[in-house]
Amino acid sequence: SYVLTQPPSVSVAPGQTARITCGGNNIGSKSVHWYQQKPGQAPVLVVYDDRDRPSGIPERFSGSNSGNTATLTISRVEAGDEADYYCQVWDFRNDHVIFGEGTKLTVL
Amino acid sequence: EVQLVESGGGSVRPGGSLRLSCAASGFTFSDAWMNWVRQAPGRGLEWVGRVKAKSSGETRDYAAPVKGRFTISRDDSKNTLFLQMNSLTTEDTAVYFCATDYCSGTTCYLNYWGQGTLVTVSP
Repeated sequence: SYVLTQPPSVSVAPGQTARITCGGNNIGSKSVHWYQQKPGQAPVLVVYDDRDRPSGIPERFSGSNSGNTATLTISRVEAGDEADYYCQVWDFRNDHVIFGEGTKLTVL
Repeated sequence: EVQLVESGGGSVRPGGSLRLSCAASGFTFSDAWMNWVRQAPGRGLEWVGRVKAKSSGETRDYAAPVKGRFTISRDDSKNTLFLQMNSLTTEDTAVYFCATDYCSGTTCYLNYWGQGTLVTVSP
């Protein structure tokens, strides 16, 4: 089945830009979605269809997808952005939802 | 406002069974495709399975680790989603979330989530 690879952790200072990658074979041909999960809480969709934001998600959250890597970019990082982030695609052959392993974002 | 509230979690012995429920409100449940996703302690998200709307054939799909042991069902008259879990093992210990599914034809994503219910399988 299709595998999504994320770095276990990313660290960034407040006010800087965080980039979280999601690797997969020709992932640029798929739509990638991103979720934020804070400790003890349910995941929240922050980016869908590579780069679109649900209502209520700050413009600081953006996404891109090309080749074998999708990227979630968080600009002007705040302490409240500290969370686990998961990428997700849909495996159309099996009609299954696939998640990446998750990346813990630490705000220094 | 969309609300999803899971219940039914608890402790069970290996080999036992448990039935989870997810009460939905704030949207037309009968039109929704519904998923279960789980998260083992300290681990990432794992998709468990999905049931489509009756208008889409009420098709069910399951992840390999649970196929044949777990069954997803729905009661549209009660706006409730279920997860029947049989032959449980310690590997099934996790928080179980229900989530709504939005599919565009070329992709699917989970747009609303419940808060989860904890299932602990231990001897």
